[in-house]
Amino acid sequence: AQSVTQPDARVTVSEGASLQLRCKYSYSGTPYLFWYVQYQRQGLQLLLKYYSGDPVVQGVNGFEAEFSKSDSSFHLRKASVHWSDSAVYFCAASMNTGGADRLTFGKGTQLIIQP
Amino acid sequence: GGIITQTPKFLIGQEGQKLTLKCQQNFNHDTMYWYRQDSGKGLRLIYYSITENDLQKGDLSEGYDASREKKSSFSLTVTSAQKNEMAVFLCASSIAGSQNTLYFGAGTRLSVL
Repeated sequence: AQSVTQPDARVTVSEGASLQLRCKYSYSGTPYLFWYVQYQRQGLQLLLKYYSGDPVVQGVNGFEAEFSKSDSSFHLRKASVHWSDSAVYFCAASMNTGGADRLTFGKGTQLIIQP
Repeated sequence: GGIITQTPKFLIGQEGQKLTLKCQQNFNHDTMYWYRQDSGKGLRLIYYSITENDLQKGDLSEGYDASREKKSSFSLTVTSAQKNEMAVFLCASSIAGSQNTLYFGAGTRLSVL
């Protein structure tokens, strides 16, 4: 079955430090991959997405993610986090099967920024 | 730009009650979705609709009905609220196909007494 796994329910990082949030997917082909962010009491917003090409994709607010086919991963990174990055981050994947496609979300990783 | 409006923001119901959640979008998007968000469980798809009057079941459709009478609106009904149920229901829309970006509303927070 197709699935998305975010192994870390919570990650704590000091402000100014680097960040990596992990995401692994299980699909028979190469899915479309996404990272969404949810700030407190809000809906989800897209950070970045990957379809094909350069495995490193740039997103908003200094975020980037790297696709690895060999590792079935799509980890999110940021060089220097800010307190405003505190949020829940969701990795998601979709296989476009020509009509009945749907997005599968991981369980999310809560990012806590320490001063 | 556009916006997705979900009403109500908070919903308190009684066990066994039928409850309706509403969602409106002005993106002119074809596809709309209802997700349920439970703490520690991520988002699970309840229903989606690829066009007006279309309905497709998601992974969690049992106990729910949905209605897409207009392109801009998509409603969800909890057919019989479960005691002590607490969840956030998120509506989203996209251009046709989930390979495209989903735009989300802020959610309806449900509590059942």
